[in-house]
Amino acid sequence: GAGVSQSPRYKVAKRGQDVALRCDPISGHVSLFWYQQALGQGPEFLTYFQNEAQLDKSGLPSDRFFAERPEGSVSTLKIQRTQQEDSAVYLCASSPRFVPHNEQFFGPGTRLTVL
Amino acid sequence: GQQLNQSPQSMFIQEGEDVSMNCTSSSIFNTWLWYKQDPGEGPVLLIALYKAGELTSNGRLTAQFGITRKDSFLNISASIPSDVGIYFCAGPIIQGAQKLVFGQGTRLTINP
Repeated sequence: GAGVSQSPRYKVAKRGQDVALRCDPISGHVSLFWYQQALGQGPEFLTYFQNEAQLDKSGLPSDRFFAERPEGSVSTLKIQRTQQEDSAVYLCASSPRFVPHNEQFFGPGTRLTVL
Repeated sequence: GQQLNQSPQSMFIQEGEDVSMNCTSSSIFNTWLWYKQDPGEGPVLLIALYKAGELTSNGRLTAQFGITRKDSFLNISASIPSDVGIYFCAGPIIQGAQKLVFGQGTRLTINP
């Protein structure tokens, strides 16, 4: 079946613009995660949803970052007033309800470049 | 916060050689995960380890959960060109938590 998909794959924004990144998880997956991956680094946790409930947003770097998953399926990560330090790959991952510990399935990511 | 330290940071080997990389932490982990990331793609899970001392294989890949629960090793035997990529170790930040912490990765390059 289809894996996790993300759109757009690439986004270039001018500093100060708002951006919205979309994640379509694997159908039926309950949990959804957003990670930020800077160049040459491993992914870093941003936020986690179980169905439509955002259970953990401790990794969001500032109040300019906002994520939602209103119907418990598709999720959107929004970044307001983008800054150059926001340039990174944003990865989305999902996992089903009953799964061995922490096995998350990742999408291809959205590469955001802020000029 | 918790950090996972991977070594080496990069490896340059000849096709057919065996590869060994490791991951260490100052804190105890109860689950160790090894992911591979190809350019322009998201990480893909290779092996999951759940018990101290556990040794698990997936084809030419073998991973071990260190007995101290503070380290893990990944070995690749008889490397082939498609093994090129970045290998990450990862684990849950706290036991039972959903969110993962990742190491900084080991970049593997293979000379044919």
